[in-house]
Amino acid sequence: SAVISQKPSRDICQRGTSLTIQCQVDSQVTMMFWYRQQPGQSLTLIATANQGSEATYESGFVIDKFPISRPNLTFSTLTVSNMSPEDSSIYLCSVPLTYGYGYTFGSGTRLTVV
Amino acid sequence: GQQVMQIPQYQHVQEGEDFTTYCNSSTTLSNIQWYKQRPGGHPVFLIQLVKSGEVKKQKRLTFQFGEAKKNSSLHITATQTTDVGTYFCGRAQKLVFGQGTRLTINP
Repeated sequence: SAVISQKPSRDICQRGTSLTIQCQVDSQVTMMFWYRQQPGQSLTLIATANQGSEATYESGFVIDKFPISRPNLTFSTLTVSNMSPEDSSIYLCSVPLTYGYGYTFGSGTRLTVV
Repeated sequence: GQQVMQIPQYQHVQEGEDFTTYCNSSTTLSNIQWYKQRPGGHPVFLIQLVKSGEVKKQKRLTFQFGEAKKNSSLHITATQTTDVGTYFCGRAQKLVFGQGTRLTINP
């Protein structure tokens, strides 16, 4: 199944700055997904990243705050812009498993905004 | 969109006891997936259920999909400390997770 390399694994950032998170997949995938997991909470889908078109954002998430790039079928980035302490979360990318059922996840980026 | 509600939110058991978590939807689900997230880890896919009334087993784990395809359950027999983690259900096609059930175990 697809293997995802996600980085950075963690970061501590100043409020007002931006952080770009990268996910590299070892095989080509049509769709990649970005999630946020706040402490002790479930995963919330931020957006679906499609190659060659703009990302599709879920309710409550906007492109200006979470711009996404998808330059090819193996790579995507999520930027958390103009950060505030409320953005402190774990951010994860995900792709469908190779054999079609289920999804695999990157190891996550633990973001702390101070 | 379709939301799945998961209960209980927390469950603490003695090692060797059984554990069950439930997922409920107000609308019919085309399928449901189950994931396990160990503390500090990322979700790992366990199984997908598609058919009405489907039952699947993975060693001590038993997964069921309701006849109406509106609910599902995960049952663990004789829990072990390796079962610790949070169990999530989710509807596929743009995976949306339930709230999860955090399982802790007293050895």
